[in-house]
Amino acid sequence: KQEVTQIPAALSVPEGENLVLNCSFTDSAIYNLQWFRQDPGKGLTSLLLIQSSQREQTSGRLNASLDKSSGRSTLYIAASQPGDSATYLCAVPNQAGTALIFGKGTTLSVSS
Amino acid sequence: EAGVAQSPRYKIIEKRQSVAFWCNPISGHATLYWYQQILGQGPKLLIQFQNNGVVDDSQLPKDRFSAERLKGVDSTLKIQPAKLEDSAVYLCASSLSRGFQETQYFGPGTRLLVL
Repeated sequence: KQEVTQIPAALSVPEGENLVLNCSFTDSAIYNLQWFRQDPGKGLTSLLLIQSSQREQTSGRLNASLDKSSGRSTLYIAASQPGDSATYLCAVPNQAGTALIFGKGTTLSVSS
Repeated sequence: EAGVAQSPRYKIIEKRQSVAFWCNPISGHATLYWYQQILGQGPKLLIQFQNNGVVDDSQLPKDRFSAERLKGVDSTLKIQPAKLEDSAVYLCASSLSRGFQETQYFGPGTRLLVL
């Protein structure tokens, strides 16, 4: 059974710092991996989707990497800003492709 | 393009009462999902529809939860009777079709508190 784990559960950094969020999964037979952002009281917004054949994806200040063999993904945020404060979740599809399996998320707080 | 709409945004009920949530997906999206997100956890799929047919409801507590998607557009999720442990955010999502590569778009969620 696929399990997704995210560490740390919470992170506080001053504005301008570069930071890394970690995601691990137990079954390496994944088709892709997604990183989402969730703001309080709001739904989830997809940030990056990495295909199983890719090593990384970039969008602006965000860079996500994927190492299937070790069951790990990282989300790198460059030059963090207070507006980056949110909960970040990673997710992989289940074997049937009917659902996403999510980690518990990392809650990020960036102070000005 | 309008996003996924959900209502109500908040609901407070007492245990053993019933409650219903409504979702309107993005126009043209054939696949609709309901997720339950308990505080401090990631979302967990309750049910997936493809048009108006159920694809996966293996994690739906069918003794108290029910869902329908009439005409393949809007969907309602009902809980009857509610239990304390049903307190959670209920997220609706939609995608163009099924498949591993399809991006799911999420609504703002309905926050349910059962007292």
